[in-house]
Amino acid sequence: GNSVTQMEGPVTLSEEAFLTINCTYTATGYPSLFWYVQYPGEGLQLLLKATKADDKGSNKGFEATYRKETTSFHLEKGSVQVSDSAVYFCALSGVRDGGSNYKLTFGKGTLLTVNP
Amino acid sequence: NAGVTQTPKFQVLKTGQSMTLQCAQDMNHNSMYWYRQDPGMGLRLIYYSASEGTTDKGEVPNGYNVSRLNKREFSLRLESAAPSQTSVYFCASSPGTSGFSSYNEQFFGPGTRLTVL
Repeated sequence: GNSVTQMEGPVTLSEEAFLTINCTYTATGYPSLFWYVQYPGEGLQLLLKATKADDKGSNKGFEATYRKETTSFHLEKGSVQVSDSAVYFCALSGVRDGGSNYKLTFGKGTLLTVNP
Repeated sequence: NAGVTQTPKFQVLKTGQSMTLQCAQDMNHNSMYWYRQDPGMGLRLIYYSASEGTTDKGEVPNGYNVSRLNKREFSLRLESAAPSQTSVYFCASSPGTSGFSSYNEQFFGPGTRLTVL
């Protein structure tokens, strides 16, 4: 079945540091890949997505490239801010499940804390 | 548009009590989902509804029931709450388009924090 493995946290960085959160996946077919962000006390929000190999998703200074050869979708940001402190989830969307539904498979999440 | 709304935001129950968590979306989405989030476990799918009139079990359905009341609303019921059901519950929805694309973004509600004593 489908699975997502992302780096264990917590990750603690100073403001303006470079961020990488690793994500690898196992899936059949050609899944779409997502990064979601969860700020304290809130639900998940889509951060960025990529729907096919070599696509680069980007948003708010974050980027991730869909690498089919290494089955990876690592999240990067060149200069983090205190406001980026949150939990980040990598996820994949499997192929059609016998109807108009696409379930998401999530990684366990990585807590990022950015200090001033 | 309010997006996905959930009620209540917080709830404390005693073991054996029952309750229903409500979820509604105003985006005309076909598919809706219930997840639970526990420390170190990520999000786990409880039940989902691919379209109005259908529901299916997810990864951790035991102890829960769901009802897709109409296209907008999808409720989660705990018939006899147990301490192991202490968690944060999220409802989500997605367009649920047909076709060969495997992409389908999910939109999440703010969550219900449930404690079972």
